[in-house]
Amino acid sequence: QQQVKQSPQSLIVQKGGISIINCAYENTAFDYFPWYQQFPGKGPALLIAIRPDVSEKKEGRFTISFNKSAKQFSLHIMDSQPGDSATYFCAASRRSARQLTFGSGTQLTVLP
Amino acid sequence: DGGITQSPKYLFRKEGQNVTLSCEQNLNHDAMYWYRQDPGQGLRLIYYSQIVNDFQKGDIAEGYSVSREKKESFPLTVTSAQKNPTAFYLCASSPDRGNYGYTFGSGTRLTVV
Repeated sequence: QQQVKQSPQSLIVQKGGISIINCAYENTAFDYFPWYQQFPGKGPALLIAIRPDVSEKKEGRFTISFNKSAKQFSLHIMDSQPGDSATYFCAASRRSARQLTFGSGTQLTVLP
Repeated sequence: DGGITQSPKYLFRKEGQNVTLSCEQNLNHDAMYWYRQDPGQGLRLIYYSQIVNDFQKGDIAEGYSVSREKKESFPLTVTSAQKNPTAFYLCASSPDRGNYGYTFGSGTRLTVV
């Protein structure tokens, strides 16, 4: 019940296209859903996060869509740029336990 | 600036040697974590600590040890019992209240020579 399943494992998108990464969870006690961006040789950095009381959160070109009934959330990157090429991790945690459960990661490549 | 400092950035270990990776934070965070990342893989939890002088095993603790004598510091020792230690090691911290998110360090790449 602690698992977070992430797909796809890798994604190739043309510059200007939309990148979509999906995550699904089982534990209904999860109440915080962040996305992390990791460049090669660097630590992951928090990109955007959402709580289950809203269905969508947008920050610039990055949007999280959240479907509580389906227990799914996704990251959309609009107008994808080569500089967005990185590994993206979704995660989830619950109020009573701060520890994040991470997805397996998606390697995004944006072609120029 | 507040953040997490991991050192060294690169570390080489000989067979049978113990090595210690440093992790220091000045964010006043209560919880700290160690993760291992293999090429093209996700993040696997080694150890975590939610308070000084207390720590818990994660999913892959065998061959590793930690200490938490100060709130700011959470060093990881890779012992000779860890048979495949070559990996990228990441330290993270999180506050006890408010935003649940982690702040990660820049990582240490450990290679067995």
